[in-house]
Amino acid sequence: DTGVSQDPRHKITKRGQNVTFRCDPISEHNRLYWYRQTLGQGPEFLTYFQNEAQLEKSRLLSDRFSAERPKGSFSTLEIQRTEQGDSAMYLCASSPGLATGELFFGEGSRLTVL
Amino acid sequence: KNQVEQSPQSLIILEGKNCTLQCNYTVSPFSNLRWYKQDTGRGPVSLTIMTFSENTKSNGRYTATLDADTKQSSLHITASQLSDSASYICVVSAKEYGNKLVFGAGTILRVKS
Repeated sequence: DTGVSQDPRHKITKRGQNVTFRCDPISEHNRLYWYRQTLGQGPEFLTYFQNEAQLEKSRLLSDRFSAERPKGSFSTLEIQRTEQGDSAMYLCASSPGLATGELFFGEGSRLTVL
Repeated sequence: KNQVEQSPQSLIILEGKNCTLQCNYTVSPFSNLRWYKQDTGRGPVSLTIMTFSENTKSNGRYTATLDADTKQSSLHITASQLSDSASYICVVSAKEYGNKLVFGAGTILRVKS
């Protein structure tokens, strides 16, 4: 499968724990995006990378959130000291280059914070 | 206020029937307008992308229209199938904000047999 893959698909954690999600984009896609989606809403932008550079972060991305794309390939999104409000689907998407180009989404990582 | 409003919020139709979903946006200027289909618990999948100069685009049984003057788009689904049950999300690429994507909340479609 050469699509965007995300891991894990589901994560249940207790409040206060740290969690990390991984995204493997389509190879040779230099743009990578993270979105958060809650029930009944569209995805909300969190951050995006062009190659290894993190070019933009949303105000939604508090200090507890950090994202990396160390070699310009896969990316990780870490949430420290999780809160119940962090429960959501975290979606990763990649794009071949143009800002106006097609976005290819992964299946998402669903986080439940108890 | 959300810059991309979709209606209806949800819709139930019988298999084989047609339906039309609406998207009104205030984002201007924009680079393109997209429709995505999102199955429950899955990531969104692109159906169509239209630039401001296009007013219709089809993908199989899905036809999207765009009226840039009234800032409205619609997604028409013909001869619906059970597998069309999903959320349909309208997305506008905002030229002013570096082509950032502005997502609507989606219309939840349920096709019944």
